[in-house]
Amino acid sequence: SAVISQKPSRDICQRGTSLTIQCQVDSQVTMMFWYRQQPGQSLTLIATANQGSEATYESGFVIDKFPISRPNLTFSTLTVSNMSPEDSSIYLCSVGGHRIGDTQYFGPGTRLTVL
Amino acid sequence: AQKITQTQPGMFVQEKEAVTLDCTYDTSDQSYGLFWYKQPSSGEMIFLIYQGSYDEQNATEGRYSLNFQKARKSANLVISASQLGDSAMYFCAMREYQGGSEKLVFGKGTKLTVNP
Repeated sequence: SAVISQKPSRDICQRGTSLTIQCQVDSQVTMMFWYRQQPGQSLTLIATANQGSEATYESGFVIDKFPISRPNLTFSTLTVSNMSPEDSSIYLCSVGGHRIGDTQYFGPGTRLTVL
Repeated sequence: AQKITQTQPGMFVQEKEAVTLDCTYDTSDQSYGLFWYKQPSSGEMIFLIYQGSYDEQNATEGRYSLNFQKARKSANLVISASQLGDSAMYFCAMREYQGGSEKLVFGKGTKLTVNP
C-alpha cells in the first residue's frame, strides 16, 4: 500500500481566512481523492483530483470554496477558502486505482478548527 | 436513499469475544466492491477487508472476516477474539460506478467499544 502524508496534521484558523492542505504519496497513483469528515459524521467525498486537469467536484462542493491542484501523480493540495466554523472538520486525502476492487488508502488526515 | 446502512450506532463486546458489525447496501449494479475501514480516535482510516461482488467465498484477513450475503445485500464484518485495541469507529463502504466514475460511498459508522 502507498504511504500517504498530509500537512498540516492540524490547524486552528480564524474565520474568513484560507488554509491549504498538502497530500504527498510515496509512489505514483492513478486516483487521488479529498474527503471531509465533519464532527461525529461519516466521510463525504469533496472531489476527485485529476492530474493535469480540473478536479471533479461532488454535488454540494464548488471550486471557489475548495480549489484543488494536482500537478503530478504523487502530490495534491486542497484549499479551504474563506473559512467559517462550519468548515471545522477532518480533511482526508485518499489514493487508489481506477478499478472497482482497488483499495483506497487514506492519509492521516488534517484536523481543522475554525474559530 | 442511503447506499450504505449501518444500523448499529454503538456496539459493546467483551475482550476475547467475537462481534458482528452490520452493513447493508443498495445498488443495481452487478459489479461493485465492499470495504470495511477502522478509524481509531487518532482519525486515520485503516483498511481492513474487501469483498468483490463476484467473489464466491467470504473474505478473511486475520481476525477479520466478512459475512457476505449477496441476495440480502449485506456485508457484515465479524471480528473474532476482540482486543482492547479494536475499540474504534468502523465504516462500511461500497465502490460502484456512478456517473461514469468509481466512487467510494461510506455508511454512518458503528462505534465499537471493547470492555476488559
